Amino acid sequence: GAVVSQHPSWVICKSGTSVKIECRSLDFQATTMFWYRQFPKQSLMLMATSNEGSKATYEQGVEKDKFLINHASLTLSTLTVTSAHPEDSSFYICSASLSASGKKSQYFGPGTRLTVT
Amino acid sequence: GIQVEQSPPDLILQEGANSTLRCNFSDSVNNLQWFHQNPWGQLINLFYIPSGTKQNGRLSATTVATERYSLLYISSSQTTDSGVYFCAVESGANNLFFGTGTRLTVIP
Repeated sequence: GAVVSQHPSWVICKSGTSVKIECRSLDFQATTMFWYRQFPKQSLMLMATSNEGSKATYEQGVEKDKFLINHASLTLSTLTVTSAHPEDSSFYICSASLSASGKKSQYFGPGTRLTVT
Repeated sequence: GIQVEQSPPDLILQEGANSTLRCNFSDSVNNLQWFHQNPWGQLINLFYIPSGTKQNGRLSATTVATERYSLLYISSSQTTDSGVYFCAVESGANNLFFGTGTRLTVIP
């Protein structure tokens, strides 16, 4: 149980184009999903918290107009990187929050590797 | 925000050896999780352990919340244990702060 998928797993795009990444919780409903980015050999940095039916909450330093987040249903959140530039190349990982037996854990998708040329 | 430091940053083990990974955090937390990130980038939940001790096969973890640290023990290491181990803590809002990670390489 608690499986999270991401699509696509990798994408190459040209500078100036937009890319959409999907995050789905496959066997549970998630009112809250999270988006992280990870540069090579570094830790995960939280970008934003996505709540179903409301606007996302962005971390300091993350441009909301560049990284558009939509949480349209209890099983789907999307991240759109608009007007991508080479410095946006990174590994993007989503997670979904699941509460069970009094504890709240995050379960992670397999990640999406974005390369902007 | 809360600071999460892990040690050692890198660790190379011979297959069959045991190891202890440490996670120190700077403030009280209401959640602590250990993850293994495999070479393909997938994060795998190992433990949810805000306090106490848990064991799962060759892995066990202990969190001493009052002293703000957690330990992950790996016994009889295997090559498939290679990857990066992260601890992550939650304080207040449902946001996880990830540690700096320990990169483990197990050689046959």
